[in-house]
Amino acid sequence: QKEVEQDPGPLSVPEGAIVSLNCTYSNSAFQYFMWYRQYSRKGPELLMYTYSSGNKEDGRFTAQVDKSSKYISLFIRDSQPSDSATYLCAMSEGSGGYNKLIFGAGTRLAVHP
Amino acid sequence: GAVVSQHPSRVICKSGTSVKIECRSLDFQATTMFWYRQFPKKSLMLMATSNEGSKATYEQGVEKDKFLINHASLTLSTLTVTSAHPEDSSFYICSARDPHDGYTFGSGTRLTVV
Repeated sequence: QKEVEQDPGPLSVPEGAIVSLNCTYSNSAFQYFMWYRQYSRKGPELLMYTYSSGNKEDGRFTAQVDKSSKYISLFIRDSQPSDSATYLCAMSEGSGGYNKLIFGAGTRLAVHP
Repeated sequence: GAVVSQHPSRVICKSGTSVKIECRSLDFQATTMFWYRQFPKKSLMLMATSNEGSKATYEQGVEKDKFLINHASLTLSTLTVTSAHPEDSSFYICSARDPHDGYTFGSGTRLTVV
C-alpha cells in the first residue's frame, strides 16, 4: 500500500464547476498537509498548506483535513480554464526543514470553457 | 515570496557524459534541499535530501555514485548525473524549505540523454 493515494484522473469539468480533489494516506504521523499545482513541464507551486485537522480557505480554494479518516480534500469553486493543471497532494510528519514530503500521484484536471 | 532558481531548464547530453544541475534559494537560506525525479504523467519521487555541509541522504534504490549531490553553501545545492544513460532521461526538480513553512520548488530541469 502506498503511503499516499490519489486518483490520477483525468478529471474534466466545465468552466464554473466545483471541483473536488482527494487524497488518502496511511501514515498517522503525518501532520502537515499541502496541495500543489503543477503546469506541464514546470515545478510544482504551493496552493494550500494546513496543519493537523480542519479547514482552510483562500479565495476559490478550500482545503480540508480529516486526520481521523486519514483523508484530505481540495475544493476549487468557480473553476476556470486556467485551473487546468495537475494537482498534487503532499504531506510530512514534521515541520523542520529536514522533513521530507511524500506526494500523491497527482490528479490531472481539465476545465473546458 | 520565496524563490528557488533551478538551472538549466533543459539539457541534452550524450550517453556517458555528466550533467550538473544547480538549485539556488534566491532570497532565503536553506540548510536542507530536496531532489526529486518525475516521469511523464507521474508524481514526484524523492531521490535524496541535501544537507548543507554534510553528506546527502539518499532514498532506497537511488545510486549515490550516479547522482552526486553537493550542498556547499546555504543557498546552493547541485545534482550531477554521472555517466548518463538514456534511462536517466527525466524531469528533475529541487525544492527547499522556505521561511514561511512551505516547500518551494524550482522550475525543473528536463534532461534528455541521447
